[in-house]
Amino acid sequence: GAGVSQSPSNKVTEKGKDVELRCDPISGHTALYWYRQSLGQGLEFLIYFQGNSAPDKSGLPSDRFSAERTGGSVSTLTIQRTQQEDSAVYLCASSLEGYSEPQHFGDGTRLSIL
Amino acid sequence: LAKTTQPISMDSYEGQEVNITCSHNNIATNDYITWYQQFPSQGPRFIIQGYKTKVTNEVASLFIPADRKSSTLSLPRVSLSDTAVYYCLVGDPAAGNKLTFGGGTRVLVKP
Repeated sequence: GAGVSQSPSNKVTEKGKDVELRCDPISGHTALYWYRQSLGQGLEFLIYFQGNSAPDKSGLPSDRFSAERTGGSVSTLTIQRTQQEDSAVYLCASSLEGYSEPQHFGDGTRLSIL
Repeated sequence: LAKTTQPISMDSYEGQEVNITCSHNNIATNDYITWYQQFPSQGPRFIIQGYKTKVTNEVASLFIPADRKSSTLSLPRVSLSDTAVYYCLVGDPAAGNKLTFGGGTRVLVKP
């Protein structure tokens, strides 16, 4: 498995609970991205990590959303006090550093808030 | 980030060539054009990327005119398994490569 791995693949939780979503990027990829995709929609950018630089958090919809990347590899997206509108597929992608390097996506975590 | 416009859906038949045109009138000098394919319950999969003229790989061809205000993804001899959503994206990788995905083009290949 050399691709981007995300876990869990599905997550069902109650409104108000916190959730953590995990992304294992492709080995050697320095850039990591999180996106959100609502049913039948395109992808919405959330956050971007590149090497040791400060992450670009400009896409996070509220302060209930946060993400970290430990050791320049694995990343965790955390949603606190989940709301029903948070229900979506959360996709992670990674890429090599360098001009025009394409992003490689995992298959996402389908999050359902009851 | 450059805005893209592409058809919402297209129907085709097995064995035909499918051409999807994407408009990006405000493309910037440093922007690349990238196409992704997405099947249900899967993440987008990179198909092809180009800057100008024509790019071809084992899956598709990408045609970009000199003014770069549009691009056309060409899928030769499609099969039923090519039924998917195809996204056209324009962006500057050196600017953080935050890709803006529009609604994509839903391609349905019929037998």
